[in-house]
Amino acid sequence: AQKVTQAQTEISVVEKEDVTLDCVYETRDTTYYLFWYKQPPSGELVFLIRRNSFDEQNEISGRYSWNFQKSTSSFNFTITASQVVDSAVYFCALSEARGVYNTGGFKTIFGAGTRLFVKA
Amino acid sequence: EAEVAQSPRYKITEKSQAVAFWCDPISGHATLYWYRQILGQGPELLVQFQDESVVDDSQLPKDRFSAERLKGVDSTLKIQPAELGDSAMYLCASGTALTDTQYFGPGTRLTVL
Repeated sequence: AQKVTQAQTEISVVEKEDVTLDCVYETRDTTYYLFWYKQPPSGELVFLIRRNSFDEQNEISGRYSWNFQKSTSSFNFTITASQVVDSAVYFCALSEARGVYNTGGFKTIFGAGTRLFVKA
Repeated sequence: EAEVAQSPRYKITEKSQAVAFWCDPISGHATLYWYRQILGQGPELLVQFQDESVVDDSQLPKDRFSAERLKGVDSTLKIQPAELGDSAMYLCASGTALTDTQYFGPGTRLTVL
């Protein structure tokens, strides 16, 4: 069964601090995908990154970086030199294909989210 | 840049009334998802369409909720009658059949009084 755990409910940091958001997942599939989405106060979920289960290479995009470790079933997200605009709720998600030939698209579940407050 | 459109953005209704939400996915996206997000929680899938067919509606409260995507393009989610516990954000997302990246609309925030 799929499960995504974001143990940190809320994190508060001061601007320019680095912050890491944790995500732990459970799945029985060998092929799966992991995501991070950002939800600002406006409510829309904004796609940040997608990673497949065969690619454990860490990724950096500007101030954002992601650390994927299959050995610990974790996909953590780090914001370097945080800014006030980073304040939002961040969701980790796990996606698996439906059916053998992916004929039914994907099934995705989301974690409960981590609310990040960045203070000036 | 193409976006998922949703309307209305906000809806206030009284319990036992009917409400309907509309979603227009990104052009060419065969997969359409409706999620419900209760305050403080992550989105939960209500229904997933592949073209005009329902792929998963196992979490849709079918006694009061219905969803359709008649021509495989835009979609409508209806609640009748609305209950107090239906107050939530209703999010629509779309994606292609080959990838699982979902692109979300702005959502409809429903308040049931």
